[in-house]
Amino acid sequence: ILNVEQSPQSLHVQEGDSTNFTCSFPSSNFYALHWYRWETAKSPEALFVMTLNGDEKKKGRISATLNTKEGYSYLYIKGSQPEDSATYLCASTGTASKLTFGTGTRLQVTL
Amino acid sequence: SAVISQKPSRDICQRGTSLTIQCQVDSQVTMMFWYRQQPGQSLTLIATANQGSEATYESGFVIDKFPISRPNLTFSTLTVSNLSPEDSSIYLCSVDAGVGETQYFGPGTRLLVL
Repeated sequence: ILNVEQSPQSLHVQEGDSTNFTCSFPSSNFYALHWYRWETAKSPEALFVMTLNGDEKKKGRISATLNTKEGYSYLYIKGSQPEDSATYLCASTGTASKLTFGTGTRLQVTL
Repeated sequence: SAVISQKPSRDICQRGTSLTIQCQVDSQVTMMFWYRQQPGQSLTLIATANQGSEATYESGFVIDKFPISRPNLTFSTLTVSNLSPEDSSIYLCSVDAGVGETQYFGPGTRLLVL
């Protein structure tokens, strides 16, 4: 994998559903994996930064896992709410500060 | 954390003109970053701006098209010159807390070129 790839591109779920997204990244020269939440007309909001293989992080109903050997990360949202509607971005960094982003997963949660 | 503001929040420009975007941070930072997101594309780094030195541009981006100023440790500007419809994008500035640490973003400038 040469680029950061995210799937699915978009997702539409009902309130209360649990969902997950995938981020694939180059495993060579890897330093950190970032997840952001981006609502329209707002600043991207940092959710997690993970560096170690096997890392798991949690923030409320949102959690993420990291596998650096195979180059993927999962983001999970438990019990989706309409306010979770946003685009979720992942980005990887090497040893410099440059973030390489995926194209994002657009989540829409309806009542 | 850092609080970042950008001006303007959006603009509509005619082709051939230029737009200068301002980025203000509430604390002193060494590096500031400028990103672009074209429709349907990923956020892409344009350049890294260090105070007191020339900006470092990523492959595919040149200073003549995207001149950057960094007059002090809390402020930077990005100019998008000789605008064409392909420059219609969201432009964001960001700062980081250290290598591999969280980057904090401004709310973006939405540019439409007619």
